[in-house]
Amino acid sequence: GAVVSQHPSRVICKSGTSVKIECRSLDFQATTMFWYRQFPKKSLMLMATSNEGSKATYEQGVEKDKFLINHASLTLSTLTVTSAHPEDSSFYICSARDRTDASYEQYFGPGTRLTVT
Amino acid sequence: AQKVTQAQTEISVVEKEDVTLDCVYETRDTTYYLFWYKQPPSGELVFLIRRNSFDEQNEISGRYSWNFQKSTSSFNFTITASQVVDSAVYFCALSGTGANSKLTFGKGITLSVRP
Repeated sequence: GAVVSQHPSRVICKSGTSVKIECRSLDFQATTMFWYRQFPKKSLMLMATSNEGSKATYEQGVEKDKFLINHASLTLSTLTVTSAHPEDSSFYICSARDRTDASYEQYFGPGTRLTVT
Repeated sequence: AQKVTQAQTEISVVEKEDVTLDCVYETRDTTYYLFWYKQPPSGELVFLIRRNSFDEQNEISGRYSWNFQKSTSSFNFTITASQVVDSAVYFCALSGTGANSKLTFGKGITLSVRP
């Protein structure tokens, strides 16, 4: 089946630093990737849709300058949390769509747990 | 606008009991997909099922079964003879079928199965 990886799985950083999270589709090409954020005991909240070769589309209320998304290739999208603060601590999950899959199903990565101290 | 309602927030059962997780959805699309995902404590989302809106047949997979009722806009999930390993958060989700369609998740149901 389709596999999506995320790196790192856990990261702890100091307030004010930037953190980059990678999302890779390992055995398929993904023209579209999605970034979600999940607070403890809450549901997944879509942050942005990342399209290869174009600018990401952000959901309402998500700061694009705070959460920089780059989808530079058909297998890689990155999310950079700039000038991170403790309130950015969360579980970040990416998903990817196989460009050849007519059902447009999303395949999820294992998530990245970010802790900002 | 799409909406998924999982009215149950937490369910606790004793091992071997059957348990049903409810999901009600709203959409204006005539064609759509419904999903169930399991999220164990590790955090990784585990895909359980995808159902096309045209396919109202119920599905059984081992101890898992799903009841799709378009008339009531419900897609309920039943675990038969629950086990401790079934303890997790379960999400129901809905998406359209176009290239730009997004997944809308319910709030999730925390299932605890006690030995």
